[in-house]
Amino acid sequence: RKEVEQDPGPFNVPEGATVAFNCTYSNSASQSFFWYRQDCRKEPKLLMSVYSSGNEDGRFTAQLNRASQYISLLIRDSKLSDSATYLCVVTSPGSYIPTFGRGTSLIVHP
Amino acid sequence: ETGVTQSPTHLIKTRGQQVTLRCSSQSGHNTVSWYQQALGQGPQFIFQYYREEENGRGNFPPRFSGLQFPNYSSELNVNALELDDSALYLCASSLAGGFGNEQFFGPGTRLTVL
Repeated sequence: RKEVEQDPGPFNVPEGATVAFNCTYSNSASQSFFWYRQDCRKEPKLLMSVYSSGNEDGRFTAQLNRASQYISLLIRDSKLSDSATYLCVVTSPGSYIPTFGRGTSLIVHP
Repeated sequence: ETGVTQSPTHLIKTRGQQVTLRCSSQSGHNTVSWYQQALGQGPQFIFQYYREEENGRGNFPPRFSGLQFPNYSSELNVNALELDDSALYLCASSLAGGFGNEQFFGPGTRLTVL
C-alpha cells in the first residue's frame, strides 16, 4: 500500500458544483497534513493546512479523520479558476518529512 | 510570485553525465528543500538544507547530493544520470528547519535525460 493515495481523477464538474476529494494515508502516526494546489506546468502552492478539528477557508473545507486515516477537501461553488491538481501532503512521525500524493485533477467547466 | 528562483528552467543531458541545478531562496528564509516530480506524480522529497547542513533526506541514492551556501541559496547535484532522472526538480524555501513552516516553491527545472 502506498504511503499516501489519491484518486488521480480527473473530476469534471460544472461551475457552481460542490466537489470533494479524499486522500488516504498508511501511517497512523503521521503528524501533519496539508493540501497544495498545482496549476498545469507550475509549482505547487499551499492551499491549506488540515487540523484535527477541521478548518475552513472561504469555499474550501479540509477535514482529518484519524480513525479511518484520510483527509478530505471540499470545494463549494466551484469556479473555473479552481481547475488544477490538488496534492495532499502527509508528514512522517518524528522526522516530519513530507510525502506527497500523486494529486487529483479537477476540471471545472462552464 | 514566491520569490524563489531556480536555474536553468530547462536542461537536456545524456545518460552518465552530471548536472547541477540552482535555487535561490526567498529573502529571510534559511531552509531549502529539494523535490523530484515525475510526470503525473506528486513531488518526492530528496533532501533539505538548513543553515548549510543537510537536515533530512528522502529515499534517493548518494549520487544525488547538495550544498547550501552562506546566503542560503542551494545546489542540487546529480551524478551518473539515468533515464529515470528525467523529471521536474523543485526547490522550496522556508523559515527555520523542518517542515512546520509553509514551504514556498520555485518554478522548477525540467531535466530531460536522453
